[in-house]
Amino acid sequence: AQSVAQPEDQVNVAEGNPLTVKCTYSVSGNPYLFWYVQYPNRGLQFLLKYITGDNLVKGSYGFEAEFNKSQTSFHLKKPSALVSDSALYFCAVRDPLGGYQKVTFGTGTKLQVIP
Amino acid sequence: DSGVTQTPKHLITATGQRVTLRCSPRSGDLSVYWYQQSLDQGLQFLIQYYNGEERAKGNILERFSAQQFPDLHSELNLSSLELGDSALYFCASSASAGGGGTDTQYFGPGTRLTVL
Repeated sequence: AQSVAQPEDQVNVAEGNPLTVKCTYSVSGNPYLFWYVQYPNRGLQFLLKYITGDNLVKGSYGFEAEFNKSQTSFHLKKPSALVSDSALYFCAVRDPLGGYQKVTFGTGTKLQVIP
Repeated sequence: DSGVTQTPKHLITATGQRVTLRCSPRSGDLSVYWYQQSLDQGLQFLIQYYNGEERAKGNILERFSAQQFPDLHSELNLSSLELGDSALYFCASSASAGGGGTDTQYFGPGTRLTVL
């Protein structure tokens, strides 16, 4: 069974500092990995995904994520945080061997960027 | 704006009642997914439809059912509602069905269901 873990319920970072939101996963094969962001009272918005190829994936709003197969991680990063980045971030994994589009989401990490 | 629409935005009802949530996917998308987001359970996948047929089932209760119509919109029916069914219900859509699994899912704004 596939699973994903976001070990931090909340991450606080000062505006202008780099940010990292952690994600680890477990699948039987090579994973498809996704990051979504949810602003208050809004649906989830797609940020980026890793399917294959370069381990560093660049996405929307200046975010990027690094796929690390040996550590089974897919941490979300941004070089310089903005107050407007404050939101709930979800990591998600799909097992390509699953044969269908079921996606497993993490529990979410609340990012608070402090002015 | 993801292009996925959901109605209604808010729904307040009583225990034991039945409600229907509606979702229209992005133009051209054939798959629709339903998710439940609650404080204690997080984001849970309920069910997926592709071009009118059920494709995958997740943690969906027997009291819940869904369907996708020929125009590709989908409805999620929740019956015999309990207090614990209070949650945000999201619909998402993607272009294809599965197998490849590389599709990005685009989420609607959600329907907030409150069961009193």
